[in-house]
Amino acid sequence: GNSVTQMEGPVTLSEEAFLTINCTYTATGYPSLFWYVQYPGEGLQLLLKATKADDKGSNKGFEATYRKETTSFHLEKGSVQVSDSAVYFCALSDRGETGGFKTIFGAGTRLFVKA
Amino acid sequence: IAGITQAPTSQILAAGRRMTLRCTQDMRHNAMYWYRQDLGLGLRLIHYSNTAGTTGKGEVPDGYSVSRANTDDFPLTLASAVPSQTSVYFCASSDGYGYTFGSGTRLTVV
Repeated sequence: GNSVTQMEGPVTLSEEAFLTINCTYTATGYPSLFWYVQYPGEGLQLLLKATKADDKGSNKGFEATYRKETTSFHLEKGSVQVSDSAVYFCALSDRGETGGFKTIFGAGTRLFVKA
Repeated sequence: IAGITQAPTSQILAAGRRMTLRCTQDMRHNAMYWYRQDLGLGLRLIHYSNTAGTTGKGEVPDGYSVSRANTDDFPLTLASAVPSQTSVYFCASSDGYGYTFGSGTRLTVV
């Protein structure tokens, strides 16, 4: 079956450092890939997405490229800010057996950014 | 503001009591979902509904039931709460291009 594996946290960085959070997946079909962000006390918010191979999703300075050859969707940001401190979830969505979309979430990676 | 409204925000519930968590969306999304989030276990799908009038079981459905009488509402019911159901519950909806989540209900069963 489909699965998502993302790097364990927490990840601690200083402000303006480069961020990479690794995410790899296994899928039998052609899924869409997503990154969600969860700030303390809130629900998850869609950060970016890519629906096919070689697509690059981007939002708020974050980027991720759908790499079919390496089955990866790593999240990157060139210069993190304290306000980026949150938990980041990689997710995969594909058509389920019942015809609706089935989404699998990774375990989440907590990011701390120090001033 | 378009989105998902969950109620209550938090609740302390005695074991054995019945409880319904409410979820309403105003985006006319066909699909809706209930997840629970527990430390170290990530998000786990409880029940889902691909369209009004249909529901399905997720990864951890035992002890929970749902209904989908219309497009907008997707309540989650705990028939007889147990301490292991202490969690943060998130409702979500989707148009097939990503999820929109509510702010969650923090439930403590004592």
